Amino acid sequence: DQQVKQNSPSLSVQEGRISILNCDYTNSMFDYFLWYKKYPAEGPTFLISISSIKDKNEDGRFTVFLNKSAKHLSLHIVPSQPGDSAVYFCAASASGNQFYFGTGTSLTVIP
Amino acid sequence: KAGVTQTPRYLIKTRGQQVTLSCSPISGHRSVSWYQQTPGQGLQFLFEYFSETQRNKGNFPGRFSGRQFSNSRSEMNVSTLELGDSALYLCASGPGTGGAGSEKLFFGSGTQLSVL
Repeated sequence: DQQVKQNSPSLSVQEGRISILNCDYTNSMFDYFLWYKKYPAEGPTFLISISSIKDKNEDGRFTVFLNKSAKHLSLHIVPSQPGDSAVYFCAASASGNQFYFGTGTSLTVIP
Repeated sequence: KAGVTQTPRYLIKTRGQQVTLSCSPISGHRSVSWYQQTPGQGLQFLFEYFSETQRNKGNFPGRFSGRQFSNSRSEMNVSTLELGDSALYLCASGPGTGGAGSEKLFFGSGTQLSVL
């Protein structure tokens, strides 16, 4: 039972444009959400997080939006750069110790 | 600070064998989690250890087991390997003591296991 879903396996975006990656979850107890970025042959690295008491968190070119009523979060990357090409995973937690991950979205930024 | 270290990086085994993977967390981290990554399945949670005790467990068969030592290093064991166990196994560490909203995981590069 996949509690965190990323329904788009892949996304292609032109360099300089906005990339929007989406994530849906089913468990209303989740109160902390994270995005990770993964390059081939490397482990995932933390990108940005958001607590359920907020609806937006920004860090440089990366912004995460949370819509609790829709159980939906999104990651916006503006402007997109070729180095952003990677697989992006969203993750959610209710206890702070166990994290549930989505299946990932492979982002390709075209120069 | 050194990152999370996983050994070995690659393993090739045959069906029926068993395998042990090792993970050294970031110094000071007491929580170690294990994940299985397969194409199309994302990261599936196996288990989490904190201070030598299994604190959380995912939905995997009993062939998958783990342990944590007093220095927080962790091992994961898979017995009676099946073809479907071929995957990238990722270890992640964290302080393990923060409340919800304050914890994040730091991942190692993984062990790529191939079962023939």
